[in-house]
Parts: sequence; C-alpha cells; structure tokens
Amino acid sequence: GNSVTQMEGPVTLSEEAFLTINCTYTATGYPSLFWYVQYPGEGLQLLLKATKADDKGSNKGFEATYRKETTSFHLEKGSVQVSDSAVYFCALIMNYGGATNKLIFGTGTLLAVQP
Amino acid sequence: EAQVTQNPRYLITVTGKKLTVTCSQNMNHEYMSWYRQDPGLGLRQIYYSMNVEVTDKGDVPEGYKVSRKEKRNFPLILESPSPNQTSLYFCASSLSVVMNTEAFFGQGTRLTVV
Repeated sequence: GNSVTQMEGPVTLSEEAFLTINCTYTATGYPSLFWYVQYPGEGLQLLLKATKADDKGSNKGFEATYRKETTSFHLEKGSVQVSDSAVYFCALIMNYGGATNKLIFGTGTLLAVQP
Repeated sequence: EAQVTQNPRYLITVTGKKLTVTCSQNMNHEYMSWYRQDPGLGLRQIYYSMNVEVTDKGDVPEGYKVSRKEKRNFPLILESPSPNQTSLYFCASSLSVVMNTEAFFGQGTRLTVV
C-alpha cells in the first residue's frame, strides 16, 4: 500500500544550524507530497507542497524537492531558529479517481532548537 | 478568519459513557475528516465525508460514528468509549476531494478514557 517513512526524532539542533529531515514514500502512482508542521498545543498547518516530480516547495526558509527517482521529499532549512521547534509531518495524497482525498502521514519528527 | 473549530480541547471520561466531539469549519469546504494521533503511529484517518450526508470509513473506524447533516459541521461520536481510544483527535477540512488542495486542521481534542 501507499506509505510515508520519515526519520525518527527527536532532532536537536543549535540555533543557526542546518536542518535536514528525511522523508521517503511508497506509492502505486504519482502522489502529491506535503510537509505539515505542528507547533506545541496547535493543530497541523501546511508548510509546503509539491505536486509533481522535480517540483520544489518552499516556505518560511524551508524547502523540499520531489525526487521521483529516489521517492524522497526531504525537508531542509539553512539556518534554524528556536521558533522552528515543532513536530514535522511528511504526507502524501493519492487521487483514487476522485473517490477520496486522504492524507497519508509519516510518524512525525520532533525538532528541538536550542538557543 | 478561516478556521476549523473543535470542542472540547480536553476531555477526561469514563469507559462506556457516550461522548461527542464537535467540529465546525467556516470555509464552505466540501471535504472533512477525522484523524487520531498516537505516538509512533502518526495520524490515522478515522472517518471522512465528501459532502453533506456522504460519509465513509477511514483506516481506523471501529468504535466511532460520524454524521454530516450540514456542510459546516462534522461531529465525532464515541458511543461507548474504551481506554484504547485515549488519543489526540484532529478534525480537518479541505475545499474539495481534488488532490493538491490544502487541508486545514483544528487545534485538537485530547481525550482520556479511564
């Protein structure tokens, strides 16, 4: 079946460090890929997305490139801030001929940024 | 402000006592769904609805019911809660069933069943 695998956390970094959170997917077709972020005590919110191979999604200094050849969508940021501390979820959507719009999530990666 | 509102945010209840978690969205979205979030498992879909009076099971529907009588509301009902339903629940909505549309999430309901 379709699934998303992301790196285990927690990831602990110092402010201004470089961030990579790995995400790979398994899908029978060509999904759209997403990163959602969950700040403490809040719901998930969309961080960025990519809808086809080689697309790059970007937002708030974060970026991720849809790599079909490696079935990956790794999240990167050049310089993290304390305010980036959150749980990050990689997710995909398969369009089953319009029948559903179900997000399939990875297990989430907790990022803790220390001053 | 566009939002998905869930109530209550926190709930402690006893086994077998029926409860309802409400969800309301003000964006005129067609598609709504419920997820539960558990450590190490990520978010798993419980039920979804493509429009008024159209609902269907997600991946983990056992022990839950939903209804969609109006477009804006999508309550989650636990007829006889059990401790294994202790979890963090999220309601989400999106404009349509077409892929690529952003999902908007409520702030979550932390449920404890003792």
